[in-house]
Amino acid sequence: NAGVTQTPKFRVLKTGQSMTLLCAQDMNHEYMYWYRQDPGMGLRLIHYSVGEGTTAKGEVPDGYNVSRLKKQNFLLGLESAAPSQTSVYFCASSRGDATNEKLFFGSGTQLSVL
Amino acid sequence: RKEVEQDPGPFNVPEGATVAFNCTYSNSASQSFFWYRQDCRKEPKLLMSVYSSGNEDGRFTAQLNRASQYISLLIRDSKLSDSATYLCVASSGSARQLTFGSGTQLTVLP
Repeated sequence: NAGVTQTPKFRVLKTGQSMTLLCAQDMNHEYMYWYRQDPGMGLRLIHYSVGEGTTAKGEVPDGYNVSRLKKQNFLLGLESAAPSQTSVYFCASSRGDATNEKLFFGSGTQLSVL
Repeated sequence: RKEVEQDPGPFNVPEGATVAFNCTYSNSASQSFFWYRQDCRKEPKLLMSVYSSGNEDGRFTAQLNRASQYISLLIRDSKLSDSATYLCVASSGSARQLTFGSGTQLTVLP
């Protein structure tokens, strides 16, 4: 009964390094999202996907790329990390229908870019 | 102006008190509204949906005023375990994109 699983939980990068955050859900959800959370800013949407093979930009997409090659996985990539990308990242998924918009979140990834 | 605005608090209340949180949203096309709860360093979890007619779940009551673009959450008989950050959320767009407020921090004191 895993729900939404994010890996890794913690990561420290140097400026300019790249990395990929993995999100996996086992609930057969259509919609998946990547958010970042910064103090005083709330959660802000980076990218989202409404189904396998589709992705779209959210509120703060610059510096990030995503892929949804399989329905259960949503990957978030940082090609050249910057200190401004230091944040807590949350992945979420939902069924995506109008009657049930509840988001299920992963436990988060704490990323520090030095 | 942020799309969803909340009073950040913190609210420090004694056990048993009633506390109310308010939230305003600027996107008149928002379709659905929610309150999420987030414990320190944990992921947000859905507390309750908010309906135009108002809805109650135990000690929690949520209200929506579409004309004023205003959402509220009332917690009665506060418990220590209610201490958390409460996030006001509005949904819009075909992809059900949720926009989160920055949260209101509540501490219930013994």
